[in-house]
Amino acid sequence: DQQVKQNSPSLSVQEGRISILNCDYTNSMFDYFLWYKKYPAEGPTFLISISSIKDKNEDGRFTVFLNKSAKHLSLHIVPSQPGDSAVYFCAASEGGNKLVFGAGTILRVKS
Amino acid sequence: GAGVSQSPSNKVTEKGKDVELRCDPISGHTALYWYRQSLGQGLEFLIYFQGNSAPDKSGLPSDRFSAERTGGSVSTLTIQRTQQEDSAVYLCASSLLAGGGQFFGPGTRLTVL
Repeated sequence: DQQVKQNSPSLSVQEGRISILNCDYTNSMFDYFLWYKKYPAEGPTFLISISSIKDKNEDGRFTVFLNKSAKHLSLHIVPSQPGDSAVYFCAASEGGNKLVFGAGTILRVKS
Repeated sequence: GAGVSQSPSNKVTEKGKDVELRCDPISGHTALYWYRQSLGQGLEFLIYFQGNSAPDKSGLPSDRFSAERTGGSVSTLTIQRTQQEDSAVYLCASSLLAGGGQFFGPGTRLTVL
């Protein structure tokens, strides 16, 4: 049973527009959520995180929104750039130790 | 080095053989994690070390899998009697403290023929 789901396997966006990546979770005990970005043949790179006590966290072009009642979080990238093309993983944890990952969404930003 | 390193980067082995995968965490990081990513799947937690505490082995899929962390630094993940379903990318991560941001290595791609 997948506790973290990324229902869109891929997303294609025009350069300069907004990319919105979505993630749903089922475990109400999760209290820490993260987004990682992964290029081929490299390990995941941490992008941004949010604690369950917040509903928004922003870092430059990246904003993560958390809707606890819907058990949903999203990552907004604006403006999208071709270098953002990668696989994006949503992850969640109880207390920040063992991370439970979604299956990932491939983002393609077209120039 | 500045980041987490793993070796080998690629490993091809025959079914039934044992393999050892190595992880060098970032210097000073007290927590170390092993994950694996099978084809088309997200990362799956395997095991977690924190300081001198007993490791959390709750993610190991079978007793053929084991890991150790010597001297609080380098870790080795051992898979005995490998099976084809063990084929995956094995990723190591470390964090400064338990619950801190995890920094990942490039992974070891294991192929079991």
